[in-house]
Amino acid sequence: SYELTQPPSLSVSPGQTASITCSGDKLGNKYACWYQQKPGQSPVVVIYQDSKRPSGIPERFSGSNSGNTATLTISGTQAMDEADYYCQAWDSNTVVFGGGTKLTVL
Amino acid sequence: EVQLVESGGDLVQPGGSLRLSCAASGFTFSSYWMSWVRQAPGKGLEWVANIKQDGSEKYYVDSVKGRFTISGDNAKNSLYLQMNSLRADDTAVYYCARNKNWGDAFDIWGQGTMVTVSS
Repeated sequence: SYELTQPPSLSVSPGQTASITCSGDKLGNKYACWYQQKPGQSPVVVIYQDSKRPSGIPERFSGSNSGNTATLTISGTQAMDEADYYCQAWDSNTVVFGGGTKLTVL
Repeated sequence: EVQLVESGGDLVQPGGSLRLSCAASGFTFSSYWMSWVRQAPGKGLEWVANIKQDGSEKYYVDSVKGRFTISGDNAKNSLYLQMNSLRADDTAVYYCARNKNWGDAFDIWGQGTMVTVSS
């Protein structure tokens, strides 16, 4: 079965750039998307179709996808960005999530 | 307002059954692929099942095949998940979610409903 691999955790200082990777076989041939989930809340999509931002998502969130790796980049990370982030892609008609990355802003 | 509201979560014994419901409002339910996604306590997101707009196609994660059944009622704007032969590792918050398009992101999520499988 298809797998997506993310680093379990990442720490950044406020104002720095956070880059979270998601690896999967030929992932660049699929659409990748990213979700932010804060404790006790439902996930929220922050990037879809590799690099598009839904309305209401700050411009500091951006995405790319090429080869075997998709990347979520948060520029000028703020304390409010501390959360779990999940990548997701479709494999045929099924859906796969990455294991999640806990982003700590300190 | 576009909204998904789940219900039906409960405490159930191993081997038992439960039916989850998801009520959709604010959009044309029959135009979207819909999914169930679960999250075990302290763990990541796991896709469980999805269903095509007209119900003609349904897909499941391997761990629930033969035990769970996804269904939808376009007349009632509702999504369901019938869960049989429940196991302890099915314990999770279950979310229903709308796919923006086939192959694309989940753009709308419900608040989730908790299923606990324990004796």
